[in-house]
Amino acid sequence: QQQVKQSPQSLIVQKGGISIINCAYENTAFDYFPWYQQFPGKGPALLIAIRPDVSEKKEGRFTISFNKSAKQFSLHIMDSQPGDSATYFCAARLSGTASKLTFGTGTRLQVTL
Amino acid sequence: ETGVTQSPTHLIKTRGQQVTLRCSSQSGHNTVSWYQQALGQGPQFIFQYYREEENGRGNFPPRFSGLQFPNYSSELNVNALELDDSALYLCASSLSTGRNTEAFFGQGTRLTVV
Repeated sequence: QQQVKQSPQSLIVQKGGISIINCAYENTAFDYFPWYQQFPGKGPALLIAIRPDVSEKKEGRFTISFNKSAKQFSLHIMDSQPGDSATYFCAARLSGTASKLTFGTGTRLQVTL
Repeated sequence: ETGVTQSPTHLIKTRGQQVTLRCSSQSGHNTVSWYQQALGQGPQFIFQYYREEENGRGNFPPRFSGLQFPNYSSELNVNALELDDSALYLCASSLSTGRNTEAFFGQGTRLTVV
């Protein structure tokens, strides 16, 4: 049973545009929601993370919006750049665990010139 | 760089063989988790080690086993390899099993079973 659903599977955005990736979860025991960026042949790199007591978190061009009642969260990449082209994974972690993450299926982002 | 290193980076094994993958965690981190990432998929949690003890396991058969050493480095062992075991194996380290911690991944080991 997939506990974190991610969409879209792939996304093409023009340089300077906004990239939006959405995730939904089922388990209300999740208490930490990170986003990871992965380039081909590399491990996932932590991008930004949020806890459910916060509705929005911004770090540079990256923003997480969190809707606890809907059990949904999203990543917004403002002013998208070709260097942002990568696969993005949302994840969720159960309360009381350190690195036991449940990942979404990933979104392959391509930023065109 | 995350400070988490994995070896080897690539490996080719024959079906039925056994394999050992290694991970050195980031300095000061005492918790290590292993993930399997099939091509085009998100990482799947295999198990986690905290202070040399297994501390949680995902939906993987017993032929997937692990160890954590006193210096918090870790090994993942897979026996009786199957073709479907071909994947990128990722190690993640974190400071503790507490609430306020982040998980950092290594670059992974690409395992191909033929």
